[in-house]
Amino acid sequence: TQLLEQSPQFLSIQEGENLTVYCNSSSVFSSLQWYRQEPGEGPVLLVTVVTGGEVKKLKRLTFQFGDARKDSSLHITAAQTGDTGLYLCAIKTDSWGKLQFGAGTQVVVTP
Amino acid sequence: NAGVTQTPKFRVLKTGQSMTLLCAQDMNHEYMYWYRQDPGMGLRLIHYSVGEGTTAKGEVPDGYNVSRLKKQNFLLGLESAAPSQTSVYFCASSYRQGLTGELFFGEGSRLTVL
Repeated sequence: TQLLEQSPQFLSIQEGENLTVYCNSSSVFSSLQWYRQEPGEGPVLLVTVVTGGEVKKLKRLTFQFGDARKDSSLHITAAQTGDTGLYLCAIKTDSWGKLQFGAGTQVVVTP
Repeated sequence: NAGVTQTPKFRVLKTGQSMTLLCAQDMNHEYMYWYRQDPGMGLRLIHYSVGEGTTAKGEVPDGYNVSRLKKQNFLLGLESAAPSQTSVYFCASSYRQGLTGELFFGEGSRLTVL
């Protein structure tokens, strides 16, 4: 079983600051998904990255897939309070769509 | 659009009691999953189903049973609840597709076993 490690576990920043969270594995994976989970809700997909070196942008969020496809990062520019949530990375382990999740990074953005 | 609906949202059980969590999806998805979420451990797969009438074990299946009698419903049962099963349970569904498919999650069911 591949182990996904996310860092940091917790991040508290003020509105307007930038932040980066990381997802790492010792093994190569074919694709990776990032989800955001708000309190009392289920995770919601933000992005899927599939190509080594790929960079995807979603408004103020920038997702990067490492060249070796063993790591990924999520960068948020000028964070807003609405960015508060648990950020989870996940990889599919087989063709049945099963996901393996990292433990997540809890991000708190204060006004 | 309802998406994925879980019932109940909250439940408190005593050790040894049984209960069933119901998941219903209205997106005609083939695949359905039950995960549990515990602090610091992320989401762990309990059981999953790749179609009506099929079920399979995930990473942490012990103490749980599931059934998928109808395509839109996936039931998770606890026959004899234990305090270690205190958790938040999430149901998810997805289309039958390749490695990049999106999972759609319900809002979760918070279970406390005393």
